[in-house]
Amino acid sequence: DVKVTQSSRYLVKRTGEKVFLECVQDMDHENMFWYRQDPGLGLRLIYFSYDVKMKEKGDIPEGYSVSREKKERFSLILESASTNQTSMYLCASSFGGADEKLFFGSGTQLSVL
Amino acid sequence: ELKVEQNPLFLSMQEGKNYTIYCNYSTTSDRLYWYRQDPGKSLESLFVLLSNGAVKQEGRLMASLDTKARLSTLHITAAVHDLSATYFCAVEDSGTYKYIFGTGTRLKVLA
Repeated sequence: DVKVTQSSRYLVKRTGEKVFLECVQDMDHENMFWYRQDPGLGLRLIYFSYDVKMKEKGDIPEGYSVSREKKERFSLILESASTNQTSMYLCASSFGGADEKLFFGSGTQLSVL
Repeated sequence: ELKVEQNPLFLSMQEGKNYTIYCNYSTTSDRLYWYRQDPGKSLESLFVLLSNGAVKQEGRLMASLDTKARLSTLHITAAVHDLSATYFCAVEDSGTYKYIFGTGTRLKVLA
């Protein structure tokens, strides 16, 4: 089974802190994604990566950056956390072939105080 | 810019009844996905629809895709309590690797 592992299930940070959210997949997937999920807004794409060291902005990249130094790992960075970044963050990956369904991690609930 | 709309946002239905969830999208795409999310859990893939007229069925759920109308439906037959969850559709923005999600439909099946 494909496994997408997010390093923390719950995280509490202070405003202004630098925050790292880590995601690792074990199926040699080409594509990796970061979404945030907020009530009433569904899932919104922050950044995605289709290859090592490659990244593309999603719909809401402001205040975030990403890093993909190795194929299996995709990190989301909040340079200076703000309260409006309190959210559930979901990492996903896909193989990149014809059947490109996403496999999701269990999510990180981030609270910024 | 690709936009994906789902309706209804909330659905409360009795066991044994049928209902349909709708997913509309704004630009051309022939790849549409349905996911299920249980409370407190992450998303799991239900269906992958890759061409116009595609129909997939599993158990009491059936999904279809009409790319000309830019519409997908998720039909629930004889609902049971175990189907209570939030259902999301997602559309691939053609050629971009981006998947855009709808806002989700929260389904509650009452015994």
